[in-house]
Amino acid sequence: DAKTTQPTSMDCAEGRAANLPCNHSTISGNEYVYWYRQIHSQGPQYIIHGLKNNETNEMASLIITEDRKSSTLILPHATLRDTAVYYCIVRGPYSGGGADGLTFGKGTHLIIQP
Amino acid sequence: EAQVTQNPRYLITVTGKKLTVTCSQNMNHEYMSWYRQDPGLGLRQIYYSMNVEVTDKGDVPEGYKVSRKEKRNFPLILESPSPNQTSLYFCASGQGDPYEQYFGPGTRLTVT
Repeated sequence: DAKTTQPTSMDCAEGRAANLPCNHSTISGNEYVYWYRQIHSQGPQYIIHGLKNNETNEMASLIITEDRKSSTLILPHATLRDTAVYYCIVRGPYSGGGADGLTFGKGTHLIIQP
Repeated sequence: EAQVTQNPRYLITVTGKKLTVTCSQNMNHEYMSWYRQDPGLGLRQIYYSMNVEVTDKGDVPEGYKVSRKEKRNFPLILESPSPNQTSLYFCASGQGDPYEQYFGPGTRLTVT
């Protein structure tokens, strides 16, 4: 699976959009980009995933560059409860032969400032 | 409410005393998994199950057992716990895409 690079930490003002970048320059054509977050010592929470088109759900938007070498997770109106570590994970499609686990790197610690 | 539950949430035990951490999900998911999280090492998968009676090892299975007799439950068994199994444990479930997983609240285990 492709390696990902994320900033160690970021600040964002409450009410503003939080834009979290992820670099995955070695991503291959059939690999998806997944985003999770983990609020301190709670279970990780799935946010969104995508292949090449931009995706949006009730939590966030995912923008993937045309060359797919990087992506940005956007939380449109950040609140204090969005303070968490955000993980960008690249995985190939599930092939049906068994599922190995998700690999969480160090992620980005997003701090929402009041 | 759709959720994954784990019990107990906190446990302190002694070396060698068998214990079971339960995991249950109410979403009828086929896929379930156990992870441990340690500082500096991230989350590592212990075991996973694709469906009832189908289980397989993850990255760090030594010292653990699992069973999947019913779809909703996936207990983690430590037959003879040791201090190096002190960790934060998470159960997860998923359906369809196994990389879209839903995690439980975690169980903090301390083995003395």
